[in-house]
Amino acid sequence: DGGITQSPKYLFRKEGQNVTLSCEQNLNHDAMYWYRQDPGQGLRLIYYSQIVNDFQKGDIAEGYSVSREKKESFPLTVTSAQKNPTAFYLCATKTVGKGGYTFGSGTRLTVV
Amino acid sequence: GQQVMQIPQYQHVQEGEDFTTYCNSSTTLSNIQWYKQRPGGHPVFLIQLVKSGEVKKQKRLTFQFGEAKKNSSLHITATQTTDVGTYFCADTGGFKTIFGAGTRLFVKA
Repeated sequence: DGGITQSPKYLFRKEGQNVTLSCEQNLNHDAMYWYRQDPGQGLRLIYYSQIVNDFQKGDIAEGYSVSREKKESFPLTVTSAQKNPTAFYLCATKTVGKGGYTFGSGTRLTVV
Repeated sequence: GQQVMQIPQYQHVQEGEDFTTYCNSSTTLSNIQWYKQRPGGHPVFLIQLVKSGEVKKQKRLTFQFGEAKKNSSLHITATQTTDVGTYFCADTGGFKTIFGAGTRLFVKA
């Protein structure tokens, strides 16, 4: 099946830790995105990448980092600089200029 | 910056009643996309509207794009319990997409 795989589904982070969320796709889509979702709010863009080895900051990039070494993979690192990281993180892809986003099943990150 | 406002924030309906959510912007919308997110799930793309005044239907769902391209609506006829979830609109101008906060639909059997 073509799709997006996000892992882990649940993640717990201690104060001061960096954690990395995985996102893998086999849809052959060029563009990949990371969104953050908080209760009662819309999706907010963290980072996006249109091609391999290139990525751009979104609206709330502070405290996050990404890499795009392969077309299929777009991992997101939540660093200790992100002071309020508890949220639902969604990875998405789309073909540039066409159609809607395809979302992964998400990772729920909680600070403990 | 540009905002996409969705109303209402919540809607409780009895099964069989109709439901409508509205998406409004103070600026002209480029293209409107609609998504559905089931509780505990992820957003799923429903449809995209591009043209002024466009109306599209998917079974019991009717999507409209305003004549001035400043608003859009999603109407569900005769809701069912499977319709529960949050419905988001999104303005997909250029490469950046702006999502509304969503309308959460509760359906009582």
